[in-house]
Amino acid sequence: DGGITQSPKYLFRKEGQNVTLSCEQNLNHDAMYWYRQDPGQGLRLIYYSQIVNDFQKGDIAEGYSVSREKKESFPLTVTSAQKNPTAFYLCASSIRRTSGSLNEQFFGPGTRLTVL
Amino acid sequence: GEDVEQSLFLSVREGDSSVINCTYTDSSSTYLYWYKQEPGAGLQLLTYIFSNMDMKQDQRLTVLLNKKDKHLSLRIADTQTGDSAIYFCAESDTGFQKLVFGTGTRLLVSP
Repeated sequence: DGGITQSPKYLFRKEGQNVTLSCEQNLNHDAMYWYRQDPGQGLRLIYYSQIVNDFQKGDIAEGYSVSREKKESFPLTVTSAQKNPTAFYLCASSIRRTSGSLNEQFFGPGTRLTVL
Repeated sequence: GEDVEQSLFLSVREGDSSVINCTYTDSSSTYLYWYKQEPGAGLQLLTYIFSNMDMKQDQRLTVLLNKKDKHLSLRIADTQTGDSAIYFCAESDTGFQKLVFGTGTRLLVSP
């Protein structure tokens, strides 16, 4: 089955620790994205990558880092510099889009991170 | 920058129609989308509309687009309890890859 997997589903960390969230896709998509979801605020874009070894900051990149060494994988590290890291994190992927074309993104099931 | 707004909650009875509204600011958006999120899960694309269309119908779903007022709506006919979820509207930005999402509308369908 093709799809996007995120692990783990729930993650607990102590304040001050870095934590890495996993995102893997087997849809052969070039583009991948990380979003953060907080109640009443919708989805906010953290980072995105259009192609391997390249990525761009989204709207709320401070305190986060990513890598894109393989097409299938786009891990997100939440660093201790992120002031309020407790949230639901969603990973998505899509075909590489040209300007003005449809951008259907496929989402993983999410990881709920709680920092104690 | 782009901004997409939705009301936070909608409550309907089973069998009624639901109408979820959205306003956006980027007049150059080429596509507008409706995504559904079930509890504790990721988002799924429900439907989308190209900006040169006024209406799109897909089974129980009807999307209306008013470009002049930058207003998008999603009507769900014969709403079922399984339709209870959060519904997000989104627009494609003028660049290449970003989607800008609204705040989401939580739809609660009671029996």
